Amino acid sequence: QKEVEQDPGPLSVPEGAIVSLNCTYSNSAFQYFMWYRQYSRKGPELLMYTYSSGNKEDGRFTAQVDKSSKYISLFIRDSQPSDSATYLCAISSGGYQKVTFGTGTKLQVIP
Amino acid sequence: GAVVSQHPSRVICKSGTSVKIECRSLDFQATTMFWYRQFPKQSLMLMATSNEGSKATYEQGVEKDKFLINHASLTLSTLTVTSAHPEDSSFYICSARDQGLAGGSRPEDTQYFGPGTRLTVL
Repeated sequence: QKEVEQDPGPLSVPEGAIVSLNCTYSNSAFQYFMWYRQYSRKGPELLMYTYSSGNKEDGRFTAQVDKSSKYISLFIRDSQPSDSATYLCAISSGGYQKVTFGTGTKLQVIP
Repeated sequence: GAVVSQHPSRVICKSGTSVKIECRSLDFQATTMFWYRQFPKQSLMLMATSNEGSKATYEQGVEKDKFLINHASLTLSTLTVTSAHPEDSSFYICSARDQGLAGGSRPEDTQYFGPGTRLTVL
């Protein structure tokens, strides 16, 4: 079983739609949950992170963690064509432990 | 924000040659740098953790004699792919951890990624 599972997509939505991106993980020791955005042929950039369970909102983006279900989500409201990218979830047990990435979900927002 | 650069951005080489990729932290010191490999439609796979002044720590299955890592200063780590073969063709990405932020205790906000290097071995 992979440590992190993520649907690779692709996911196509019309501009203005609400996007839901999800990952599941297997190790209950993970405490830090991150979302990275990666444009084509570029390195990933950190979008959001959460610690433990709960929600975190930043503008049009909301990250949600449900540790009981080992399920993490990223919601994008009022999606824009500029949001078109691959979104990778990432998890870590914290401190100096390595970060484990999901396979990424490719999102396309159609004008 | 912290910036990490990589050079070259893309390289094409013949099978059997060696290729060196540089990763630099431009405006911060990085005691620790990471090297990842990403195949098309696959996730980032950690290859090794590079520590300044000491030997790199390689992930299981990664040949340390094939992927040589040198982290000689607090702002530079290099990855050398020795005797490259077509199966080594991939996107190589480095990241650097800014130890000056939060003491490095929160990986989510102290790891910055470079733009990646596309390696094609003919």
